[in-house]
Amino acid sequence: AQSVTQLDSQVPVFEEAPVELRCNYSSSVSVYLFWYVQYPNQGLQLLLKYLSGSTLVKGINGFEAEFNKSQTSFHLRKPSVHISDTAEYFCAVTYLGGGYQKVTFGTGTKLQVIP
Amino acid sequence: NAGVMQNPRHLVRRRGQEARLRCSPMKGHSHVYWYRQLPEEGLKFMVYLQKENIIDESGMPKERFSAEFPKEGPSILRIQQVVRGDSAAYFCASSPPLGLGNEQFFGPGTRLTVL
Repeated sequence: AQSVTQLDSQVPVFEEAPVELRCNYSSSVSVYLFWYVQYPNQGLQLLLKYLSGSTLVKGINGFEAEFNKSQTSFHLRKPSVHISDTAEYFCAVTYLGGGYQKVTFGTGTKLQVIP
Repeated sequence: NAGVMQNPRHLVRRRGQEARLRCSPMKGHSHVYWYRQLPEEGLKFMVYLQKENIIDESGMPKERFSAEFPKEGPSILRIQQVVRGDSAAYFCASSPPLGLGNEQFFGPGTRLTVL
C-alpha cells in the first residue's frame, strides 16, 4: 500500500527566508508526485507535479521540488517566502492500481510565515 | 471553464438528520472523487466514481454513507443519521477520463457541522 509521510506538521519561517517542506513516500511501483496548497477555508490547488523527466520541477508562486528516487523523497522548496505563502501544503502520490489512478495524500504541513 | 463546484459551502445538521453534499465536476471530467478532511488531519479518500458507476468505495464508512454520480446532474454524497463525528470538510475532486498522472481539480469543499 502507498503511504506518504510529511514529517513536519508545522513550519514557522520568517518572511524572505528560505523554506523546505519534506515529503517521503513508500511505493514499490512507479509513481507520480504532487504538491498541493490549501489556503484557509478553500480547496486544494496544484502547486507542481512530477511525472517523468527532469527531477527538478518548478511550480507556481516560485516553488520547486526535487524528486529523489533513491531516497523516495519529493521535498518542496522556496528560496524566499512571502506572507501570502501562509497555508497548508499537502504532498500526494498517485499510482496505477486496480486499473485506475489512486491518490494518497500526506497529513499536511502548515507553513506559517512570520513578518 | 468553471471549476469544480460544491454546494452547499456550509451545512449544519442536527444529530440524526440527513446531509446531502453536491459536486459538479469540471466540464469534460467524468471522474469524481470524494475526500474527507477532519480537523487537524489530512485528506482521506472516501470514494471514486465515474458516470453511473462506483469504482472504488474502499474509504467509505460501511454504514450511513453513500455516493452516486448519475448520468445527468451532480455527484451526491449522502450521510444518513449524522453524528457529531461526521463534522468535517468534505472535498470533491474531478479529473479527465484518460492519462496517468492527471491532476485532480478540487472544489472549495462543504463544511459540515453536526450539532
